[in-house]
Amino acid sequence: DTEVTQTPKHLVMGMTNKKSLKCEQHMGHRAMYWYKQKAKKPPELMFVYSYEKLSINESVPSRFSPECPNSSLLNLHLHALQPEDSALYLCASSQFPRVAEAFFGQGTRLTVV
Amino acid sequence: KQEVTQIPAALSVPEGENLVLNCSFTDSAIYNLQWFRQDPGKGLTSLLLIQSSQREQTSGRLNASLDKSSGRSTLYIAASQPGDSATYLCAGIAGGTSYGKLTFGQGTILTVHP
Repeated sequence: DTEVTQTPKHLVMGMTNKKSLKCEQHMGHRAMYWYKQKAKKPPELMFVYSYEKLSINESVPSRFSPECPNSSLLNLHLHALQPEDSALYLCASSQFPRVAEAFFGQGTRLTVV
Repeated sequence: KQEVTQIPAALSVPEGENLVLNCSFTDSAIYNLQWFRQDPGKGLTSLLLIQSSQREQTSGRLNASLDKSSGRSTLYIAASQPGDSATYLCAGIAGGTSYGKLTFGQGTILTVHP
């Protein structure tokens, strides 16, 4: 099983809402990632968790709050977002510490209105 | 800072042609290099991973090579089919303090017409 599952697939939220994105993998990977992808652009890294600890934060605004409750689950909490935050949010996982193949989920299409 | 460039930006070919997609990177200290395909509005599907100690990987009609000394990787697609139409992305995987971080090229948009 090389599947990374993301929910929801689509999300529309207002600028005052609080919502969460969820990502799950059961491959035993100990590194998990959040990427943001704008239309016609490549994915850009937001956060990396290794062994459930935040190891990389690419200077992401605090309105995005990641959480890794266990080795299989990664959340991204959203609050007071702006319309320019509308994008495809991708979760990925890989083995750690031996950095091998990264597997991506299908993404959550987020629209901020 | 790692920068990844892909050439060409777009490619349109008739079915059956053999194709070469190019990827170049500025930092030869990459840990691994991975090729993905992305269909419109979808996530990324891993095609091939080339570890830093390897020169080449093959999967079916796909073959990818890596030359760290020149900062280049090539994805070769044999006997292209309409189902190969997608955006192809290469990504350098960092080691060191940025361990595991993928830096992507801008992608090559491939269209294979019947």
